[in-house]
Amino acid sequence: EAQLLESGGGLVQPGGSLRLSCAASGFTFSTFGMSWVRQAPGKGLEYVSTLLASVPTTYYVDSVKGRFTISRDNSKSTLFLQMNSLRPEDTAVYYCARDHSMGPPGKHVFDIWGQGTMVTVSS
Amino acid sequence: DIQMTQSPSSVSASIGDRVTITCRASQNIVNWLAWYQQKPGRAPNLLIYAGSTLQSGVPSRFSGSGSGTDFTLTISSLQAEDFATYYCQQGNSFPYTFGQGTKLES
Repeated sequence: EAQLLESGGGLVQPGGSLRLSCAASGFTFSTFGMSWVRQAPGKGLEYVSTLLASVPTTYYVDSVKGRFTISRDNSKSTLFLQMNSLRPEDTAVYYCARDHSMGPPGKHVFDIWGQGTMVTVSS
Repeated sequence: DIQMTQSPSSVSASIGDRVTITCRASQNIVNWLAWYQQKPGRAPNLLIYAGSTLQSGVPSRFSGSGSGTDFTLTISSLQAEDFATYYCQQGNSFPYTFGQGTKLES
């Protein structure tokens, strides 16, 4: 069974950094694109970032560009999100998710999700 | 960025009802749209992708339709376990975007 398990969340002061990890199991991690999606308390889902499988191409929502970096270690089946210069508005549950291709390149949805890890940015 | 607008924001329904939720994209996304169900404290669950393709394991009472900019999620006969929040997501172009959610309550 395909599973994702996030870790690394916590309380951090504004301007601080955190590194989230997402350990994958039950599928061939290296062949799938992977993404991060977040959800602020009581709010809806917000796409954050994607790292494709076949080429080292990354995508980010504008609000995190230049501050967040997505990466992966295929040898350890692990996805990362390095978050720098954190702001109170980054407070959210962060989910990692596996990309599911709808057919053509770049047409993805998210078919496997982790349980999420909470990031709180506050002084 | 493509904006996704769902309606209604919340809907009240009863067991056995037919429920319809709509999602409108700010530009043509062909049929590159997904629907998710999320229950409190849980991760989202993929229901439908490519506009109308049912994800494996999802009950057949769920269906999706539409193309271009207008899409619909229909639950043909509401069951108790269907009370949740539903989100649409466009997978046509980066950055992917979600609708604001529709809360289905009794």
